[in-house]
Amino acid sequence: AQRVTQPEKLLSVFKGAPVELKCNYSYSGSPELFWYVQYSRQRLQLLLRHISRESIKGFTADLNKGETSFHLKKPFAQEEDSAMYYCALSEGGYQKVTFGTGTKLQVIP
Amino acid sequence: KAGVTQTPRYLIKTRGQQVTLSCSPISGHRSVSWYQQTPGQGLQFLFEYFSETQRNKGNFPGRFSGRQFSNSRSEMNVSTLELGDSALYLCASRGQGDRSEAFFGQGTRLTVV
Repeated sequence: AQRVTQPEKLLSVFKGAPVELKCNYSYSGSPELFWYVQYSRQRLQLLLRHISRESIKGFTADLNKGETSFHLKKPFAQEEDSAMYYCALSEGGYQKVTFGTGTKLQVIP
Repeated sequence: KAGVTQTPRYLIKTRGQQVTLSCSPISGHRSVSWYQQTPGQGLQFLFEYFSETQRNKGNFPGRFSGRQFSNSRSEMNVSTLELGDSALYLCASRGQGDRSEAFFGQGTRLTVV
């Protein structure tokens, strides 16, 4: 069965510092990986997906199949980045999406 | 277009009761998934419905059930409530096509006392 692991429950960084939110997964096939974000009092929303290879709000994530990782990175953290971040995996198509337990990012001004 | 709507937003029930939560997906979306969100466990998948059929199911006891109607609206039912069922229940809908994004509702906060 697929599994998504986010080892850090809380990550605190200073404004302007680099951010890396870790995500590791276990799945034997070719998964699709996502990062979802939940800002305070807002609904969970898609931040980015690996297949798009895009940068959203300065965040990027590269799928490393050898290390089965999909870490989320941003070179310079902003206060508005403070939120709960969830890594998620889908087998593709209409298969279920498995979420990690989430990492709370706290950017200190 | 309107987003995913969940009702009610808040609910307080006592142990042993049953509860029904409702989710209206984005117009045109036929896939609806349910998740339980708790501080300790994060997001846990309950089940997914597509065109009135349950396609995937998570590892929850049979007390948790759901259904989907012909208009894609979905309901989730929990019977014989336990204190541990207190959580935020999220619904997400997905559109057509492979690898489509999940759009989430704001959730129903269930408190069991």
